[in-house]
Amino acid sequence: SAVISQKPSRDICQRGTSLTIQCQVDSQVTMMFWYRQQPGQSLTLIATANQGSEATYESGFVIDKFPISRPNLTFSTLTVSNMSPEDSSIYLCSVVGPGGDYGYTFGSGTRLTVV
Amino acid sequence: AQKITQTQPGMFVQEKEAVTLDCTYDTSDPSYGLFWYKQPSSGEMIFLIYQGSYDQQNATEGRYSLNFQKARKSANLVISASQLGDSAMYFCAMRGRSNQFYFGTGTSLTVIP
Repeated sequence: SAVISQKPSRDICQRGTSLTIQCQVDSQVTMMFWYRQQPGQSLTLIATANQGSEATYESGFVIDKFPISRPNLTFSTLTVSNMSPEDSSIYLCSVVGPGGDYGYTFGSGTRLTVV
Repeated sequence: AQKITQTQPGMFVQEKEAVTLDCTYDTSDPSYGLFWYKQPSSGEMIFLIYQGSYDQQNATEGRYSLNFQKARKSANLVISASQLGDSAMYFCAMRGRSNQFYFGTGTSLTVIP
């Protein structure tokens, strides 16, 4: 399966600021996703990162709040904009890599605290 | 619509004993994949086991096995010979048509020495 490097692993940010999370994969992957996990909750899909085009957002998530880039098949970023304490969560990227269904891999996550 | 249900918010098991974590699912897709992930306190999601909807045999990966009952739409995870390091959150998930995942609410497993 693909190996993902996700940065930063954690951060504490002031409300009103923005944080960009990076996801680097060691091989070209067809699909990349961004998830949010609020404290004590399950994972919720934010969007599918599309290479060379705008991301596809799930209901309840908008581009102005969570802009996503995917310039190539190995890299994507998620920005959490104009943060509030409610944005405090773990953010994870996920990819479908070699191996088909056995190739689903998650990054190590970014633990974000907004104060 | 896709839905994953985990009805056990917390489970306890004695070290070296086996434990079953429940998962039921709902989907109208004829083809789907079912996954189990382990999430330790560090936050990373660790892939444990996968079951395809057309697989005839239950999946096994070391101490992990998946009890797949298609007619009942259940995909329970069985961990044999529990170890202290197995203490974590466990999530059942289903792959959707566009390859995104739908997750259950998770089960917190505590292994008691």
